[in-house]
Amino acid sequence: EVQLVESGGGLVKPGGSLRLSCAASGFTFSSYSMNWVRQAPGKGLEWVSSISSSSSYIYYADSVKGRFTISRDNAKNSLYLQMNSLRAEDTAVYYCARVETYYYDSSGYPSLDYWGQGTLVTVSS
Amino acid sequence: IQLTQSPSSLSASVGDRVTITCRASQGISSYLAWYQQKPGKAPKLLIYAASTLQSGVPSRFSGSGSGTDFTLTISSLQPEDFATYYCQQLNSYPPTFGQGTKVEIK
Repeated sequence: EVQLVESGGGLVKPGGSLRLSCAASGFTFSSYSMNWVRQAPGKGLEWVSSISSSSSYIYYADSVKGRFTISRDNAKNSLYLQMNSLRAEDTAVYYCARVETYYYDSSGYPSLDYWGQGTLVTVSS
Repeated sequence: IQLTQSPSSLSASVGDRVTITCRASQGISSYLAWYQQKPGKAPKLLIYAASTLQSGVPSRFSGSGSGTDFTLTISSLQPEDFATYYCQQLNSYPPTFGQGTKVEIK
């Protein structure tokens, strides 16, 4: 059974740092790209960052670029999000999600097929 | 690429046919997914590649469209379908989400 379990959330002051972790099990972690997606209280979903299976390709939302760093350790089946210079607007539930790609007619169609339960990050003084 | 869902919310009764639309600001071929989210829970994948049903998802859910206009249809609304639905484009970075459509009980 595929499982993604986030940890590391909590209360942090503006300007502070936090490191989120996502422990994966039930699948070959090293074969999949992974994403972080967040959701501010009462708001919609916002994509944060993506990392390819071998960490060769990394992308960030403009809202976090230069402040957040995504990484992974395939030997430990773990995904990370280092968050620095945190702001009040970073307050959200952070989800890790697996990218599955469906291949049809020589094209690959990705989607986020498994999600963790989320970890809450609150940035407040 | 911006995604605009409509309506933002709707009220419907059990058994109703429900249609949610998602419009992309530029063409995204079939690189679109639909998710369902219930309060306090993580999103759940329903549809990928615009029209392919994820394994285990009831057949009352269907997706259609290509290019800029997409729809998610629930053929006969069930009590467990009351939730918020999001579309997401995965044609290019950043992989944006629509603002969501909340389906409420009438």
